[in-house]
Amino acid sequence: DAKTTQPTSMDCAEGRAANLPCNHSTISGNEYVYWYRQIHSQGPQYIIHGLKNNETNEMASLIITEDRKSSTLILPHATLRDTAVYYCIVRLYSSASKIIFGSGTRLSIRP
Amino acid sequence: DVKVTQSSRYLVKRTGEKVFLECVQDMDHENMFWYRQDPGLGLRLIYFSYDVKMKEKGDIPEGYSVSREKKERFSLILESASTNQTSMYLCASSLSLENQPQHFGDGTRLSIL
Repeated sequence: DAKTTQPTSMDCAEGRAANLPCNHSTISGNEYVYWYRQIHSQGPQYIIHGLKNNETNEMASLIITEDRKSSTLILPHATLRDTAVYYCIVRLYSSASKIIFGSGTRLSIRP
Repeated sequence: DVKVTQSSRYLVKRTGEKVFLECVQDMDHENMFWYRQDPGLGLRLIYFSYDVKMKEKGDIPEGYSVSREKKERFSLILESASTNQTSMYLCASSLSLENQPQHFGDGTRLSIL
């Protein structure tokens, strides 16, 4: 699976949009971009994934650049409950392929 | 919503004991996984199963075994617990379709004394 690079930490004001970047310049054509988050002492929570088109669900939006070398996760209205470590990963389309987390971005939401 | 339930959030066992960690999912997923998560080492795959009674070794299967007798349940067994198996254990499941995400349980924090 391709390696990803994320900022170590970010902060955002409550109610504002949180934009979390991820670089994955070595991504191959059959690899998807996935985002997970992990709140302290809980299991990772799936957020969203995509191949090349932008995606949106009830939690977030995912913007993937046209060359697919980077992406941005957008939490449109951040709340204190969004404080977590966010992991961007790329993995093969097979649902059986293992997940490998990098260091992730520690997002802090300030009141 | 997908629900992956791990039997215990916290568990303390002694060296040499046989330890069972249970995981149940309610979404009829074919694939199930056991990972451990350690600071500085990230997430590592122990075993996974793609069907009832089927299992595949992950990256660190030594000292562990698994059992999948029913589709919804995947058990991780520490045959003779050792202190280096103190860790956060995470179970996950997914549908056996292209690009389906894995969904995780809340984890079991296991301490071996």
